Amino acid sequence: RKEVEQDPGPFNVPEGATVAFNCTYSNSASQSFFWYRQDCRKEPKLLMSVYSSGNEDGRFTAQLNRASQYISLLIRDSKLSDSATYLCVVNTRQTGANNLFFGTGTRLTVIP
Amino acid sequence: ETGVTQTPRHLVMGMTNKKSLKCEQHLGHNAMYWYKQSAKKPLELMFVYNFKEQTENNSVPSRFSPECPNSSHLFLHLHTLQPEDSALYLCASSPHSKGQGEKLFFGSGTQLSVL
Repeated sequence: RKEVEQDPGPFNVPEGATVAFNCTYSNSASQSFFWYRQDCRKEPKLLMSVYSSGNEDGRFTAQLNRASQYISLLIRDSKLSDSATYLCVVNTRQTGANNLFFGTGTRLTVIP
Repeated sequence: ETGVTQTPRHLVMGMTNKKSLKCEQHLGHNAMYWYKQSAKKPLELMFVYNFKEQTENNSVPSRFSPECPNSSHLFLHLHTLQPEDSALYLCASSPHSKGQGEKLFFGSGTQLSVL
C-alpha cells in the first residue's frame, strides 16, 4: 500500500469555480502534513502546511482528518494561475525529514 | 529567484559517461537532499546530508555517488547510468533534518536523459 495516495486528475474547472482535492495516508502515526504546488517543468514549492484545526490562506483552505487519515485542499474562486500539480506530502515521523512521503500529485487546469 | 540553484538544467549523457550535478543553497540551511522525480511517480528521496554528514541513503545504486563538501554545496556524481535513470533530479534544503514538519526548498532541477 502506498504511503500517500492522491487522485491524479486531471481536474478541469472553469475560472471562479471551487475545487477540492483529497489525499489519504496510510501511517496513522504521521505527524505533519503539507501541500506543495508544482508548475509544469518547475520545482515543487510549499503552498501551505496543514494543521490539526484546519487552516486558511486566502482562497486556499487545508483540512486534516486524523480519524479517516486524509487531508484536503480547497481552492475557492479559481484563477488561471492556479493551474498546476498539487502534491500532498506527509511526514511519518515526529523527527526528521527523512520520512517525508510525497503523493504523485493532482493536476489542476483552470479554464477561461 | 530561488535560494537553491542547480546546474545544469538539462543533461544528456551516454551510459558510459561520467557527469556531475551541482547544487548550491544560499539560505543558511544545514540539511540538503537529493530527490528523483520520474513521470507518474512520487518524488523519491535518494540522499540526505545533515551538517555535511550523510544521514540517509535510500538503497540508491552505487552508480549515483553524492558528495557534500560543506553545508551549502551538494553534488551528485553519475557514472554508467542506465536509460531508466532518466528523470528530473531535484536538490532541496531545509534548516535541518531533525525536527517536526521540515519544509523543503527545492532547486529547479536537472532534467537528465540517459541514452
